[in-house]
Amino acid sequence: GQSLEQPSEVTAVEGAIVQINCTYQTSGFYGLSWYQQHDGGAPTFLSYNALDGLEETGRFSSFLSRSDSYGYLLLQELQMKDSASYFCAVTGGGGGNKLTFGTGTQLKVEL
Amino acid sequence: EAGVTQFPSHSVIEKGQTVTLRCDPISGHDNLYWYRRVMGKEIKFLLHFVKESKQDESGMPNNRFLAERTGGTYSTLKVQPAELEDSGVYFCASSQLATYEQYFGPGTRLTVT
Repeated sequence: GQSLEQPSEVTAVEGAIVQINCTYQTSGFYGLSWYQQHDGGAPTFLSYNALDGLEETGRFSSFLSRSDSYGYLLLQELQMKDSASYFCAVTGGGGGNKLTFGTGTQLKVEL
Repeated sequence: EAGVTQFPSHSVIEKGQTVTLRCDPISGHDNLYWYRRVMGKEIKFLLHFVKESKQDESGMPNNRFLAERTGGTYSTLKVQPAELEDSGVYFCASSQLATYEQYFGPGTRLTVT
């Protein structure tokens, strides 16, 4: 089976940097994705890591260590609009790129 | 370009009734996925279509759920008969072949009473 663990809540102030961790146990692994969800709406793709290292996309960066079964999402220069749920998701096992999601991290950005 | 659309946005039905959810993927996306989030739990995979063929239906909870994708375009997910534990938000997502980014629809919130 597959399981992913994330912190349930993270709180940070506007302008700060926050890191959301994700550890996973999977029977197959192709890559780790991150999705953002506002108020239970459509999850939106943020990033994908298939290889070890850091991927940077604007204010967001994502890191993967395959040997440690660990990744994180780094959000810089936090803005109020970044308040949302963030999900890590593994692609792997059986092909087809289906996603196995973590339980999600609720990020609250305060003034 | 229109995104993934789902209909209805909300549905409230009684236990034992039938409900059909519809998903229209982004035009040209051959991959179509159904996921479900039950209250307080993680988003879980239900099944995956490639064009009109079911690639993987390992996440379908039981035979009360039936998914179709006519002509490789839109997809429907029928629940018959609905049970209380079927309540949740059903998401549809689509993607191009050989890509990892999935585009999600806004979901259908199903409440079974």
